[in-house]
Amino acid sequence: DGGITQSPKYLFRKEGQNVTLSCEQNLNHDAMYWYRQDPGQGLRLIYYSQIVNDFQKGDIAEGYSVSREKKESFPLTVTSAQKNPTAFYLCASSIQGVSGPKNIQYFGAGTRLSVL
Amino acid sequence: AQKVTQAQTEISVVEKEDVTLDCVYETRDTTYYLFWYKQPPSGELVFLIRRNSFDEQNEISGRYSWNFQKSTSSFNFTITASQVVDSAVYFCALSEETSGSRLTFGEGTQLTVNP
Repeated sequence: DGGITQSPKYLFRKEGQNVTLSCEQNLNHDAMYWYRQDPGQGLRLIYYSQIVNDFQKGDIAEGYSVSREKKESFPLTVTSAQKNPTAFYLCASSIQGVSGPKNIQYFGAGTRLSVL
Repeated sequence: AQKVTQAQTEISVVEKEDVTLDCVYETRDTTYYLFWYKQPPSGELVFLIRRNSFDEQNEISGRYSWNFQKSTSSFNFTITASQVVDSAVYFCALSEETSGSRLTFGEGTQLTVNP
């Protein structure tokens, strides 16, 4: 079945450690996104990529990094510079092209990151 | 700048009641799109509907209906005869032509349907 796979489901980070969240899609979508969700809050955009080897910062990119070497994959690294990383992280993808604003974003099941 | 407001943080109803979730948005664009997503306890966001700024027709899909009113910048969502399985967090979101595919989300409304 086509879809978006995020792994792991739960992740724990030690102080000073970088951790990487995986996001893979087999929908043949060009665009991919990372969001952060805190309790009782909406989703905030961290990074997005509209095409391979290109990505843009979202609203809260500080302390995070991404890469887009393959169309199917968009991993997110939470670096030690992110002082409050505990949150639920959601990855999404959409068909891109000139019709960008109307494209529906489809989401993975999320990764819950906690700090030890 | 674009903004989406969902003033109802939590709503609790008894099964079979009708419930309306409010969504108010702000944008300077004339071309924009509005979305509703459902987030069940499992965490994954599920797409429900998309509406563009030029189409103010209300939409009905089974027990779900949406009322889009440009005059009040609102895109409200009604569930008729609610069921326990409707319990979830519901998000309203906005994308603008000038912002490409970026979505701005409201803070969500937690709906609890009690048996």
